[in-house]
Amino acid sequence: GDSVTQMEGPVTLSEEAFLTINCTYTATGYPSLFWYVQYPGEGLQLLLKATKADDKGSNKGFEATYRKETTSFHLEKGSVQVSDSAVYFCALEASGYSTLTFGKGTMLLVSP
Amino acid sequence: DAGVTQSPTHLIKTRGQQVTLRCSPKSGHDTVSWYQQALGQGPQFIFQYYEEEERQRGNFPDRFSGHQFPNYSSELNVNALLLGDSALYLCASSSSDWGNQPQHFGDGTRLSIL
Repeated sequence: GDSVTQMEGPVTLSEEAFLTINCTYTATGYPSLFWYVQYPGEGLQLLLKATKADDKGSNKGFEATYRKETTSFHLEKGSVQVSDSAVYFCALEASGYSTLTFGKGTMLLVSP
Repeated sequence: DAGVTQSPTHLIKTRGQQVTLRCSPKSGHDTVSWYQQALGQGPQFIFQYYEEEERQRGNFPDRFSGHQFPNYSSELNVNALLLGDSALYLCASSSSDWGNQPQHFGDGTRLSIL
């Protein structure tokens, strides 16, 4: 079945450091890929998405590129802020269905 | 424009009891999905409702059931609660009118089983 694997956290960075959170997936067909963010005590917020190979999703300085050849969708940000501290989830939506398969999440902690 | 709203925010139950969680979708959305998020884990899909019917179901036992009303709001019912049912239950809504639209999530209901 479909699955998503994320790097384990927590990822601890200083403010203005470069961020990479790895995500790889297994799916049949051509899924859409997403990154969601969850702040403490809150639900999930969509951060960015990509719907086909080589698409780049971007939002609030975060970027991720849909790489079909490596089945990856790594999240990057050039300069993190303390306010970026949260749990980040990579997810896929299989073709033809509108349900999400999530990874286990990666906690990001940014210190001043 | 109200987003997805869930109630209650927190709930404490004991083993063997039954619980009902509620969700109102974002305005304009007609499809509701429910997810279970155990502590430290990613959300897992429970089921999805569209046109008042269960359209898809994840790998959850029949103790988990749901309903969708004509106004698109939805309920999640869990019978014979187990300690392992303690989790954050998330509702997500989307529109069937537009392809490839992302799901919008509520803040969830935190269910604790004693």
